[in-house]
Amino acid sequence: AQKVTQAQTEISVVEKEDVTLDCVYETRDTTYYLFWYKQPPSGELVFLIRRNSFDEQNEISGRYSWNFQKSTSSFNFTITASQVVDSAVYFCALSRIIQGAQKLVFGQGTRLTINP
Amino acid sequence: NAGVTQTPKFRVLKTGQSMTLLCAQDMNHEYMYWYRQDPGMGLRLIHYSVGEGTTAKGEVPDGYNVSRLKKQNFLLGLESAAPSQTSVYFCASAPGVQETQYFGPGTRLLVL
Repeated sequence: AQKVTQAQTEISVVEKEDVTLDCVYETRDTTYYLFWYKQPPSGELVFLIRRNSFDEQNEISGRYSWNFQKSTSSFNFTITASQVVDSAVYFCALSRIIQGAQKLVFGQGTRLTINP
Repeated sequence: NAGVTQTPKFRVLKTGQSMTLLCAQDMNHEYMYWYRQDPGMGLRLIHYSVGEGTTAKGEVPDGYNVSRLKKQNFLLGLESAAPSQTSVYFCASAPGVQETQYFGPGTRLLVL
């Protein structure tokens, strides 16, 4: 069965610290996509990154970086030099194609609080 | 280019009342999805559509109906609201089956 586990329910750090959000997934599919979304206090869901199962290269975008390791079924997200604006709930999601549509399975989310 | 919009933003219903949530996208996307978000449970798929005139059930479809009469609109209906349907509802759209889903701002629904 498809499953995404974000074991860290809440994380609180002081501004400028580095923080890593963990994501572990389960799937029997050989082709799948992994996503990270950000949900700031305003409530909308903001797309951050998509990674397909055949691309294990790490990705860096400014202060954000992602580490995808198929061997451990993990897709972790690191924020370097965190800022107060990074405070949000972050969701990891796994997709599979069923009946011609992409079904996203979300983790429970990690609430990140950056304190000034 | 507004992306994905949802109407209304917030609604309070009494048990047994009906209502329709509207999702509209101006990106000409084929695929549209309805999710609900409950505390501690992430998002769960209610219904989805792979194109105009098509709909299908997701993970938690009971108590909801949908329609996709126009490509740009995806309606979610509650025929007889129940307190268990108190949630935040998100609509998403995507251009293709393997593509990223982009979400609307959400509709907060409270059923008393």
